[in-house]
Amino acid sequence: QKEVEQNSGPLSVPEGAIASLNCTYSDRGSQSFFWYRQYSGKSPELIMFIYSNGDKEDGRFTAQLNKASQYVSLLIRDSQPSDSATYLCAPQAAGNKLTFGGGTRVLVKP
Amino acid sequence: DVKVTQSSRYLVKRTGEKVFLECVQDMDHENMFWYRQDPGLGLRLIYFSYDVKMKEKGDIPEGYSVSREKKERFSLILESASTNQTSMYLCATHRGQTDTQYFGPGTRLTVL
Repeated sequence: QKEVEQNSGPLSVPEGAIASLNCTYSDRGSQSFFWYRQYSGKSPELIMFIYSNGDKEDGRFTAQLNKASQYVSLLIRDSQPSDSATYLCAPQAAGNKLTFGGGTRVLVKP
Repeated sequence: DVKVTQSSRYLVKRTGEKVFLECVQDMDHENMFWYRQDPGLGLRLIYFSYDVKMKEKGDIPEGYSVSREKKERFSLILESASTNQTSMYLCATHRGQTDTQYFGPGTRLTVL
């Protein structure tokens, strides 16, 4: 079993709809959780981080964390074609190490 | 803004060559990381460093070594390049526990 599991996709959503991305992790010591967006041929860039159970909202993005279930999700509201990218989930355990999931590819269709 | 630079965007080397990939950051961050990224395998940690002259093995250190003589510079060394080391190499820097990692633009290495 992989340490960080994400559905590889592609997740196809119409423009204006909500994209829902899921991530499960195996390390119960994980304390902070990062979501990165990566456009094709580019390096990852941070879009959200969360470290407390519950929801965190930032603009059109909402991260949801449930440590008991070892589950973190990302919602993208009012999806735009510019949101088409691969989204990487990365729990952070002790020692500042991130473990990355394989990413979910999102396609937003106009 | 944090700036992380990598010495080359594209690099082509031959099997058996010694390869140096350089990463430089301008934000005085203690932590620096080297990853490789391959289709279907995601980002995998090769080596990381918490301080000058300190290094720790990541998940896939075989065939690689690193050097950190100055705080701002972290080098990845392929002692004898092989074709299975063809990949995208990403450097990242990190300040502390709840801070994000900042990535460089990446070096796409092809070993022939």
